[in-house]
Amino acid sequence: QVQLVQSGAEVKKPGASVKVSCKASGYVFTRYDINWVRQAPGQGLEWMGWLNPNSGNAGYAQKFQGRVTMTRDMSETTAYLEMSSLTSEDTAVYYCGRGFSAARPRAQDHWGQGTLVTVSS
Amino acid sequence: QSVLTQPPSVSGAPGQRVTISCTGSSSNIGAGSDVHWYQQLPGTVPKLLIYATTIRPSGVPDRFSGSRSGTSASLAITGLQVEDEADYYCQSYDSSLSEGVFGGGTKLTVL
Repeated sequence: QVQLVQSGAEVKKPGASVKVSCKASGYVFTRYDINWVRQAPGQGLEWMGWLNPNSGNAGYAQKFQGRVTMTRDMSETTAYLEMSSLTSEDTAVYYCGRGFSAARPRAQDHWGQGTLVTVSS
Repeated sequence: QSVLTQPPSVSGAPGQRVTISCTGSSSNIGAGSDVHWYQQLPGTVPKLLIYATTIRPSGVPDRFSGSRSGTSASLAITGLQVEDEADYYCQSYDSSLSEGVFGGGTKLTVL
């Protein structure tokens, strides 16, 4: 069965960086986008960007350009989200999802369990 | 301020029909961009309900349906059940921003 398993919760200080992983299994990793979405406490969903695991190409929401990098390790079927210059505004649960539909942003039919990133001094 | 506008809350009694609107513009829904809908039960991961505006993934009850009219999309839920109480989000692509966008979410209360 399709599974996306994310890395554990992180606590970071303002100005630091964080790298969240998303290990995929149960399907051909290179055939589907990986999307990243975040949700601040008590808030709605926020789209961050997409990654094509086959080519390594990524597209980012304007808000995150220059501060976020999405990469993958094909041998480990794992996608990564790295974010730098963290502030308290980045405190949120970060989700990866498998994007399957025809047009971007591809609809996510499977989601990771979420990774809570807390930014606090 | 979300690019896609949803009502903050809707409510209905068990068995009733409710609709949740998602209002966009000519650069997203009005341009024919796909609309996806997600359901998020309290404390859980979002779940895909509708993709490409009208298509239900397997396993999603046919009580849920999606539609588009002009610059808006709607999610309709018929035969409302207590377990439908959740937050609902629409998503689309905005060509002006060149990125995906979510609506602000709608909390459905089943009275």
